[in-house]
Amino acid sequence: DGGITQSPKYLFRKEGQNVTLSCEQNLNHDAMYWYRQDPGQGLRLIYYSQIVNDFQKGDIAEGYSVSREKKESFPLTVTSAQKNPTAFYLCATEEPGLEAGELFFGEGSRLTVL
Amino acid sequence: GQNIDQPTEMTATEGAIVQINCTYQTSGFNGLFWYQQHAGEAPTFLSYNVLDGLEEKGRFSSFLSRSKGYSYLLLKELQMKDSASYLCAASDSNYQLIWGAGTKLIIKP
Repeated sequence: DGGITQSPKYLFRKEGQNVTLSCEQNLNHDAMYWYRQDPGQGLRLIYYSQIVNDFQKGDIAEGYSVSREKKESFPLTVTSAQKNPTAFYLCATEEPGLEAGELFFGEGSRLTVL
Repeated sequence: GQNIDQPTEMTATEGAIVQINCTYQTSGFNGLFWYQQHAGEAPTFLSYNVLDGLEEKGRFSSFLSRSKGYSYLLLKELQMKDSASYLCAASDSNYQLIWGAGTKLIIKP
């Protein structure tokens, strides 16, 4: 089945550790996004990539890094520089077309810093 | 600045109708989206409006007024499974989505 797979679903991290969240898609979509969701706030864009080997910072990129070496994969690394990393992280792809903005989301990864 | 406002929480009764409002201010505008998100799950696309007026999809309808910077999502014949958060998002001049914090809809029997 076509879809977006995020892993792990739950992750616990000690302060000072880097962690990498995986996002894999088989929808053949070019554009991929990473969002962060906190209680009482809208989704906030961390990074996005419109094409392989290219990515752009979103509104809250500090303390995060990404790579886009393959069309199918867009991993997000949460570094120790991210001061408040506990959150729900969502990966999404975008189907090209007139209704730009119709996103397909993975099931999310919940990161907790202990 | 860019901003999306929607109520934090609403309660409605099974079988009834509920309207969730959303106002937006963006730099440029390329459409208004509604997503549904059940607790602990990913958002799923519900509707898209770029022209003024009402778009109907089964029990769900979405309305847009560009001049007022206003949209609403109308849910009819409410079912218990409609209990979820409803996210409003506006596409700005760069086709980036600006998201509201979401409206938690509680359905009571």
